[in-house]
Amino acid sequence: GAGVSQSPSNKVTEKGKDVELRCDPISGHTALYWYRQSLGQGLEFLIYFQGNSAPDKSGLPSDRFSAERTGGSVSTLTIQRTQQEDSAVYLCASSLGGGRSDTQYFGPGTRLTVL
Amino acid sequence: GNSVTQMEGPVTLSEEAFLTINCTYTATGYPSLFWYVQYPGEGLQLLLKATKADDKGSNKGFEATYRKETTSFHLEKGSVQVSDSAVYFCALSDRWSNQGGKLIFGQGTELSVKP
Repeated sequence: GAGVSQSPSNKVTEKGKDVELRCDPISGHTALYWYRQSLGQGLEFLIYFQGNSAPDKSGLPSDRFSAERTGGSVSTLTIQRTQQEDSAVYLCASSLGGGRSDTQYFGPGTRLTVL
Repeated sequence: GNSVTQMEGPVTLSEEAFLTINCTYTATGYPSLFWYVQYPGEGLQLLLKATKADDKGSNKGFEATYRKETTSFHLEKGSVQVSDSAVYFCALSDRWSNQGGKLIFGQGTELSVKP
């Protein structure tokens, strides 16, 4: 079946612009995660959605970052007023439930470059 | 707080050599432990996992045993192949986390296998 998809695969933007990154999870998966992979910080958790519950935003690095998940499916990560330190690969993952032992399936990522 | 430490790379081996990548963790609860692999140009994918102490995860000839007494989850393979060249990430998911199955990753270990 279809895996997790993300778009765009690459995004180049200028400092100060807003960007939107999209994630389509595996159908039927109730849990959705965003992570960031950068050279300096490795793989970091950003935000977690579970069903219709309020998202856990504790990993978002600043208030310029926000995310939503519509209809319990597609998610959008928005970065406002991008900075050069936001350059990274943004990964989305989904799992069947939100349990600690559930396998997370990752998308291919969106590579964001802020000039 | 929770953390994962894995041996630094890059690790370079000849084909058919024995592989060990060390991983130790710190967690406040009873975590599940994972090894994820990222092949060149591909997304993160689960290699194996273990959800409780003394469990052994295995896949594609790789093995790792959940050792609570030494807080370790070392990855081993008896005979590596060129196709095993990738970056390997150790990760944990803490049972007591209110962030669902949020993964905390080690810094990654790059493995290069030469023919």
